[in-house]
Amino acid sequence: GAVVSQHPSRVICKSGTSVKIECRSLDFQATTMFWYRQFPKQSLMLMATSNEGSKATYEQGVEKDKFLINHASLTLSTLTVTSAHPEDSSFYICSAPNPTDTQYFGPGTRLTVL
Amino acid sequence: DAKTTQPPSMDCAEGRAANLPCNHSTISGNEYVYWYRQIHSQGPQYIIHGLKNNETNEMASLIITEDRKSSTLILPHATLRDTAVYYCIVRVAGGNQGGKLIFGQGTELSVKP
Repeated sequence: GAVVSQHPSRVICKSGTSVKIECRSLDFQATTMFWYRQFPKQSLMLMATSNEGSKATYEQGVEKDKFLINHASLTLSTLTVTSAHPEDSSFYICSAPNPTDTQYFGPGTRLTVL
Repeated sequence: DAKTTQPPSMDCAEGRAANLPCNHSTISGNEYVYWYRQIHSQGPQYIIHGLKNNETNEMASLIITEDRKSSTLILPHATLRDTAVYYCIVRVAGGNQGGKLIFGQGTELSVKP
């Protein structure tokens, strides 16, 4: 069964609104989680590292004020896309590391901004 | 982390072995080779990883050359459900990055009946 869940699986919103995506680790704790974005026909692009109890670390070129990350507990990280625009439409995926130094990935959230 | 090079696409007949190559000529001594795959519209899935010895698990085998500059992922009996994009990633195990992965373009494997 899935060990990392995401909610919602897909969301459609109007331009200018904010959207929150949840990433949960099931049956294990994750002090670190990762957020990726994937545009059609492209590879995954790492956006940021979510750190439990501290600020997220953003990759170069990712706007931290637009993509708000909160890692409030050892099993939950949230990504909020603020003032979403059509160009933010994408597939957002989170992951969490496991003790064998590999990653469990969530099923992804497809965001469509109208 | 070292860069990897993979062919953009490959075809394989159902039931036959799929051999996916990956070049990583700048790999460092402490970097592992990881393979993940992504079935369309799903999150990636871990397949296998290794340092220098060949590895095998229930999903696949990983063959790493002696000089570690390249590797091959082998799916021994490909099925239609193995159709996916396969990513080869090299990185230091553990480290201070907490396990983040930098994805290249991968190989799109199409398994045909």
